[in-house]
Amino acid sequence: GAGVSQSPSNKVTEKGKDVELRCDPISGHTALYWYRQRLGQGLEFLIYFQGNSAPDKSGLPSDRFSAERTGESVSTLTIQRTQQEDSAVYLCASSLQGADNSPLHFGNGTRLTVT
Amino acid sequence: TQLLEQSPQFLSIQEGENLTVYCNSSSVFSSLQWYRQEPGEGPVLLVTVVTGGEVKKLKRLTFQFGDARKDSSLHITAAQTGDTGLYLCAGERGSNYKLTFGKGTLLTVNP
Repeated sequence: GAGVSQSPSNKVTEKGKDVELRCDPISGHTALYWYRQRLGQGLEFLIYFQGNSAPDKSGLPSDRFSAERTGESVSTLTIQRTQQEDSAVYLCASSLQGADNSPLHFGNGTRLTVT
Repeated sequence: TQLLEQSPQFLSIQEGENLTVYCNSSSVFSSLQWYRQEPGEGPVLLVTVVTGGEVKKLKRLTFQFGDARKDSSLHITAAQTGDTGLYLCAGERGSNYKLTFGKGTLLTVNP
């Protein structure tokens, strides 16, 4: 596709359930990022992939959060035992090589609501 | 502690007016990016400034990076309703993947 695609666009889940969020980056982009955007807050870095490896997972808020990437393409962000404070928009971005000044291309995000 | 402070948080103006929004920090950044985000969409990169004192123009938008590379401003001339959106600044400190984002300025341009 032409841009970064994320699915689902909206997800409502009950507290305690697990959720999986998917990101399809722009073809050929080796770098992939996950950010979280809470209401009224800036974007919060979660994790970065270069290829299929995640050199920096330091932004993941807790061990309930995990992410993987396969085929240097699709990535999934999994949140286990969701809590109400996990409610946010989860944004995925990709860039050509992850080097300085390589622009990030964002998807439209998944809006997660935990009830 | 918010590393990048954006002001004002909200701005509502009439079409045709000029405006400036600010992005300030006590930290030095190797580069700074400005994004615009519309409801239900991801942020879209507008510009990257790299050199202290740099000024970049994008049609009616003028971006400036402070001499000390700690702050930046975005000036819009003759605002249009299509300029409505959340303007985010993001600073890079040596690694592009770990951009630090401000909370943004929500701009509303009324017809």
